[in-house]
Amino acid sequence: EAQVTQNPRYLITVTGKKLTVTCSQNMNHEYMSWYRQDPGLGLRQIYYSMNVEVTDKGDVPEGYKVSRKEKRNFPLILESPSPNQTSLYFCASSYTGDREQFFGPGTRLTVL
Amino acid sequence: LAKTTQPISMDSYEGQEVNITCSHNNIATNDYITWYQQFPSQGPRFIIQGYKTKVTNEVASLFIPADRKSSTLSLPRVSLSDTAVYYCLVGYQTGANNLFFGTGTRLTVIP
Repeated sequence: EAQVTQNPRYLITVTGKKLTVTCSQNMNHEYMSWYRQDPGLGLRQIYYSMNVEVTDKGDVPEGYKVSRKEKRNFPLILESPSPNQTSLYFCASSYTGDREQFFGPGTRLTVL
Repeated sequence: LAKTTQPISMDSYEGQEVNITCSHNNIATNDYITWYQQFPSQGPRFIIQGYKTKVTNEVASLFIPADRKSSTLSLPRVSLSDTAVYYCLVGYQTGANNLFFGTGTRLTVIP
C-alpha cells in the first residue's frame, strides 16, 4: 500500500531535550516536505527536499533541522525543543513539488 | 511574500453546490493550483489540480479564469461528510520549491 508513515504519532517532551520525528514513504517520490499546523495559522511549510542530499528552508524553519540521506526517509530534528514548537506536524511526499502530495497521519508534539 | 487568500468559513445545506474561491495574485507562469481537503486530526487529502480553464473529476470541479489570479473549487451536491477544511495551494516557482498553503476554508454542511 502506498503510504507516508510518521513516528511517533504522539510525543510529550520537555524543553531542550533533542528529538527526532521520522518520516518514510514507499512511493519513490523525489519531493518530501514537513509542515506544522497550528490553530488559525493553517499549514506552514518547515523544510522541503527535492531529492537526496538536497534540502531547503520553507516558511518557518527556525528551530528545526532535516536530512535526506535516502530517498524514502526525511526525518525532522528538533535539537532543543521549546514550548512554541508544540504543534501538529505533517510529513508529505510527491513526485515533484507542484504535484499531488501524499500526507502522513501527523505527529502531535507537546513541549513542556 | 506571495500567498493565497480564501474565505475563513462557509456554511451550506446538504444537497447544494458549494463554490470556494481562492485568490493567488502572484501566481507564476508554471505554477499549478491544487486543492486539498482535511478532516480533523488527519493529513490533508488531494482533491483536484489544474493549470487553466476547467478541470473535473469524480468529486469536484476546478475553474480557473484566463488571468489565473484566482480559482474556484466547486463541490456538487454536498453531504454532511464534506464538512472539512479546504486548502488552496499554489506552487510558487521562485527558483525554490517552497509551497504555500492558505489558511483554509472551513466548510460546514448543515442537514
